[in-house]
Amino acid sequence: DAGVIQSPRHEVTEMGQEVTLRCKLISGHNSLFWYRQTMMRGLELLIYFNNNVPIDDSGMPEDRFSAKMPNASFSTLKIQPSEPRDSAVYFCASSFKGPGNTIYFGEGSWLTVV
Amino acid sequence: SQKIEQNSEALNIQEGKTATLTCNYTNYSPAYLQWYRQDPGRGPVFLLLIRENEKEKRKERLKVTFDTTLKQSLFHITASQPADSATYLCALGLSTGFQKLVFGTGTRLLVSP
Repeated sequence: DAGVIQSPRHEVTEMGQEVTLRCKLISGHNSLFWYRQTMMRGLELLIYFNNNVPIDDSGMPEDRFSAKMPNASFSTLKIQPSEPRDSAVYFCASSFKGPGNTIYFGEGSWLTVV
Repeated sequence: SQKIEQNSEALNIQEGKTATLTCNYTNYSPAYLQWYRQDPGRGPVFLLLIRENEKEKRKERLKVTFDTTLKQSLFHITASQPADSATYLCALGLSTGFQKLVFGTGTRLLVSP
């Protein structure tokens, strides 16, 4: 299996621009997580989907952030408008059944907002 | 307040020695705890899971302990190798309606030849 696939791997954008990060789950997995990692705050859970349904989005920073799961194997995380404080590594992860089971992370999308 | 504390300073040890990493938590009641390895520029990789009713778990050269009274987990790598150099993250599994995973900030391990 190819693992969790994220794109783009690196993105540099100007403040105010829209950013879309993409994620393809491991085939057969039904849970999807978006995490953000910074030096100061470590790994933070942004949103968790189970069977395409958002279960917990309490970690989404504000209305500028939105996440969708249009089908069982694909998800997007959108930031509009982006701000410099959004600069971080965004990880997508998937599992079968949920967090109690092994979570497989993608390689991350490194976002820099200037 | 709720906290997960891992030593922010890097742990330097010599090849062949046992590395011991600590994860302390405050004001959490985890149902389980996981340890992950993260290499620079890569995503975290799952290593071990230990449940609240388990005291110890082993996998090859890895050993994890979980003390819910002390609110602490210890992660041991025996016969350490330079290839074990990485950042190690602990994560608490919380049963809050759905099972939520909360991560510590990690400890960097450097194993010298």
